[in-house]
Amino acid sequence: QVQLVQSGAEVKKPGASVNISCKASGYTLSSYYMHWVRQAPGQGLEWMGIINPSGGSTSYEEKFQGRVTMTRDTSTSTVYMELSSLRSEDTAVYYCARLELVLGGYDYWGQGTLVTVSS
Amino acid sequence: EIVLTQSPATLSLSPGERATLSCRASQSVGSYLAWYQQKPGQAPRLLIYDASNRATGIPARFSGSGSGTDFTLTISSLEPEDFAVYYCQQRSNWTFGQGTKVEIK
Repeated sequence: QVQLVQSGAEVKKPGASVNISCKASGYTLSSYYMHWVRQAPGQGLEWMGIINPSGGSTSYEEKFQGRVTMTRDTSTSTVYMELSSLRSEDTAVYYCARLELVLGGYDYWGQGTLVTVSS
Repeated sequence: EIVLTQSPATLSLSPGERATLSCRASQSVGSYLAWYQQKPGQAPRLLIYDASNRATGIPARFSGSGSGTDFTLTISSLEPEDFAVYYCQQRSNWTFGQGTKVEIK
């Protein structure tokens, strides 16, 4: 069965970087785009960007340009999202989500990774 | 950038009642709109894709309609497990609406 398993919770200081992994199983990673979505405490969903695991191409939400990098390792079926220059407003749960192109929606989600930015 | 505006922010209803949630786009998104349900502590779940198609395993009490800029998610008769937050998302630039919380009255 399809599963997306993310790395564990992180606590970071302002200015640091965080790298979250999302390991896919039950399907071929390169066959589906992967998106990253975050959710600040008590807030709504915020789209961050997309990676095409087949070729590695990416597209990021403008507000994260220059701070976010999405990569993939097809040998381990894992995608990564690195966010740098962290500030307190980046405290959130970060999700990876598989895009089912035919549906135009996310059919599988990771369990979420809580990132806390605090001095 | 396309902005999605959901209304109302909160809907207070009793089990068995009908829920009608709205999502309005700042410009046309055609039929490329999805709806998600999120319960506390859980990842969102896809309910509706392409405005009116139920995702796999979604009960028939959930229905979506609309095109262009105005969309509606209807829950025909609320079950206890339907009290949650609902988000719409368009796939032009993938932004979400701010969500509608359906709470027990």
